[in-house]
Amino acid sequence: GIQVEQSPPDLILQEGANSTLRCNFSDSVNNLQWFHQNPWGQLINLFYIPSGTKQNGRLSATTVATERYSLLYISSSQTTDSGVYFCAPGNTGNQFYFGTGTSLTVIP
Amino acid sequence: DAGVTQSPTHLIKTRGQQVTLRCSPKSGHDTVSWYQQALGQGPQFIFQYYEEEERQRGNFPDRFSGHQFPNYSSELNVNALLLGDSALYLCASSLAFMGPGEAFFGQGTRLTVV
Repeated sequence: GIQVEQSPPDLILQEGANSTLRCNFSDSVNNLQWFHQNPWGQLINLFYIPSGTKQNGRLSATTVATERYSLLYISSSQTTDSGVYFCAPGNTGNQFYFGTGTSLTVIP
Repeated sequence: DAGVTQSPTHLIKTRGQQVTLRCSPKSGHDTVSWYQQALGQGPQFIFQYYEEEERQRGNFPDRFSGHQFPNYSSELNVNALLLGDSALYLCASSLAFMGPGEAFFGQGTRLTVV
């Protein structure tokens, strides 16, 4: 299967700061999603982005599939952004592979 | 439009018992996948169902089995429970298992084996 490495593993930000989360993966992919897992375990879809760049409010994401990485940008962070962020690439049907995520804490 | 729903939300079982978890996919989706998420880890793929058949399987023992019904809902069964089966079990739905596409997850079932 696809190996997924996310960095940094842990991140603490002051409210209002910007951050970049990185996801490296080991194989070619035709699927990639970014999720935010809330404290209750729900995986919330942020982006479906197998390639290219997308933006949604304060969040944006870029996937460079040929170089096997994806980036998630968070601008003007808020305390509600806290949680674990997962990148999940896939290359066989709709099976996704997860790393251990980036745990983000935003302090007021 | 109802999203992916799972039941129950929490469950406590004794080692050696059997458990059944349930999932209803997002409206219009026909493919259901199950994942296991241990504490501090990312979700791991268990298996995927499409047209009532298991289509893909991850590295999980035969104690883990499933079923998909004609209405696309699905069950995950785990036999002979071990303490190590304690985890959050997540169901994901998507459209058409062979093609790439966006998956949506339910809120999960938190299983504790004692």
